[in-house]
Amino acid sequence: QVQLVQSGAEVKKPGASVKVSCQASGYTFSNYDINWVRQAPGQGLEWVGWMNPKSGNTGYARKFQGRVTISRNSSLNTAYMELRGLKSDDTALFYCARARGWTGLDYWGQGTLVTVAS
Amino acid sequence: QTVLTQPPSVSGAPGQTVTISCTGSSSNIGAGYDGYWYQQVAGGAPKMIIYGNSNRPSGVPDRFSGSKSGSSVYLTITGLRAEDEADYYCQSYDDRLSGSRAFGGGTKLTVL
Repeated sequence: QVQLVQSGAEVKKPGASVKVSCQASGYTFSNYDINWVRQAPGQGLEWVGWMNPKSGNTGYARKFQGRVTISRNSSLNTAYMELRGLKSDDTALFYCARARGWTGLDYWGQGTLVTVAS
Repeated sequence: QTVLTQPPSVSGAPGQTVTISCTGSSSNIGAGYDGYWYQQVAGGAPKMIIYGNSNRPSGVPDRFSGSKSGSSVYLTITGLRAEDEADYYCQSYDDRLSGSRAFGGGTKLTVL
């Protein structure tokens, strides 16, 4: 069965960077894009960006451009999201989710809580 | 700010029907982009329940249906059940965001 398993919770200081992983199983990793979505405590969903594992092409929401990098290690069927210059309002759950091109996000990871605090 | 507008909350009694609206504009839903709906139960990850405006993934009960009209998409839930209590989010794409995905602000459904 399709599964996206994310790395564990992180606590970071303001200004630091965090790198969250998302390991895929149960399907051919290269056939589906990986998207990342942020959800601040008690707030809604916010799209961060996407990556095509086959080509390595990426796209980012304007809000995060310059501060986020999505990458992959295809030999590990794993995608990564690195967010730099962390601020307190980056404290959130980050989800990875799968999509085939411009379609819906059909499978989601369990979420990774990133806490930014001094 | 979000480019897709949803009501913050809706409610209904068990067995009733509720409809959640998601209003966009000519740069997203009105431009022909499809709408998607996700259900997020408290403490859980979102789950896609409608794709391509009106299609249900395998395993989603037929009590859930979607539709599109103009620049809006709608999620209708018939025969409300206690387990339907959740947050619901619409999603589409927006030309003003360079074709990026855009989510609505979410609607909290309370089953009375």
